[in-house]
Amino acid sequence: NAGVTQTPKFQVLKTGQSMTLQCAQDMNHEYMSWYRQDPGMGLRLIHYSVGAGITDQGEVPNGYNVSRSTTEDFPLRLLSAAPSQTSVYFCASSYRTPSVFYEQYFGPGTRLTVT
Amino acid sequence: SQQGEEDPQALSIQEGENATMNCSYKTSINNLQWYRQNSGRGLVHLILIRSNEREKHSGRLRVTLDTSKKSSSLLITASRAADTASYFCATDAGTDKLIFGTGTRLQVFP
Repeated sequence: NAGVTQTPKFQVLKTGQSMTLQCAQDMNHEYMSWYRQDPGMGLRLIHYSVGAGITDQGEVPNGYNVSRSTTEDFPLRLLSAAPSQTSVYFCASSYRTPSVFYEQYFGPGTRLTVT
Repeated sequence: SQQGEEDPQALSIQEGENATMNCSYKTSINNLQWYRQNSGRGLVHLILIRSNEREKHSGRLRVTLDTSKKSSSLLITASRAADTASYFCATDAGTDKLIFGTGTRLQVFP
């Protein structure tokens, strides 16, 4: 199993450009999520999904869109990049039953710089 | 605002010593998890403790949970240089959102 994969590993964007960060998992996990991590900080939840066709906002959703058309894939779209979105982005997946979280599996991250 | 806050923010110890870090959270939870992050890498799950558990062990790790004080502690016994990393707690706040704390940076000197 590849686990959770993210592409690209690095990306530089100009202000105003748009792009999609890809995330895929091969563990048949229902729950997937996106976090951003700024230098010296913890992770902040951007968006999450409890299953195909279902997404919801996390702590810092502004400027980002997600969709979940399949169980395996959970892409994150930056609509119009801003320097404040310079960060490391992590995707994660896990099993989840109602009211119970299980171990989160994290991807290796995408380092995004917006100039 | 973040659900969990770790204390201390940074901790430096010698190999062989024990390392203790604490996590405080704001709202009721179903479970609490601890993760490790090596520099520049993704997070790795260490241990999960449910709200009806008070203590859990995994190898050199010991986690306690006090729901009345809304706090948890992670103890790493007999630390090794390879334990150098950042450690984060994560809680669900009884929702579909898993929220991470601010982390403790642990440095273990040989």
